[in-house]
Amino acid sequence: AQSVSQHNHHVILSEAASLELGCNYSYGGTVNLFWYVQYPGQHLQLLLKYFSGDPLVKGIKGFEAEFIKSKFSFNLRKPSVQWSDTAEYFCAVNAPSSASKIIFGSGTRLSIRP
Amino acid sequence: DTEVTQTPKHLVMGMTNKKSLKCEQHMGHRAMYWYKQKAKKPPELMFVYSYEKLSINESVPSRFSPECPNSSLLNLHLHALQPEDSALYLCASSQDLNEQFFGPGTRLTVL
Repeated sequence: AQSVSQHNHHVILSEAASLELGCNYSYGGTVNLFWYVQYPGQHLQLLLKYFSGDPLVKGIKGFEAEFIKSKFSFNLRKPSVQWSDTAEYFCAVNAPSSASKIIFGSGTRLSIRP
Repeated sequence: DTEVTQTPKHLVMGMTNKKSLKCEQHMGHRAMYWYKQKAKKPPELMFVYSYEKLSINESVPSRFSPECPNSSLLNLHLHALQPEDSALYLCASSQDLNEQFFGPGTRLTVL
């Protein structure tokens, strides 16, 4: 069965610091990978996605993620965070053969100190 | 229109009540989903409708009953819920069964 691990439960950074949130998945076949963000009191929004092609994908708000197949990882990065990036971040994986099921990781809460 | 709307935003109900949650999208998406999200937890898939037919039921108790009247609407009928069913209920839709667009959710409290 597919699973997604996010090892950082709560990350606290100062503004302008660089960010990397870890995401590992377990599935041996072809996968689609996503990062979703949930700002306080708001709904889940897609930050970026990887289906195929260039393993370095760029998303909204300056976020990017790199798919490393050999490590089963899809880490999220941002070179310089802002206070407004305070949110819950979810990594998710979908195997195209699994009939539209998306499996979410447990989430990482990001707190940015102004 | 590129959003998923959900009503009501908040719902408080007793354990003997019957209520319904509604979800609507006008993006022409053919798949729609119900998720349950507890505080500080990821969304958990409940149901998937594909082309208006129920394709996935994640062993959800029968006190939750989904309905897809047409390709734009998705309902979740609630009856005899328990306090532990209190959560944020999220609706989502997708065109290609992969990228999903989420609504703002209905915050449900069961007394």
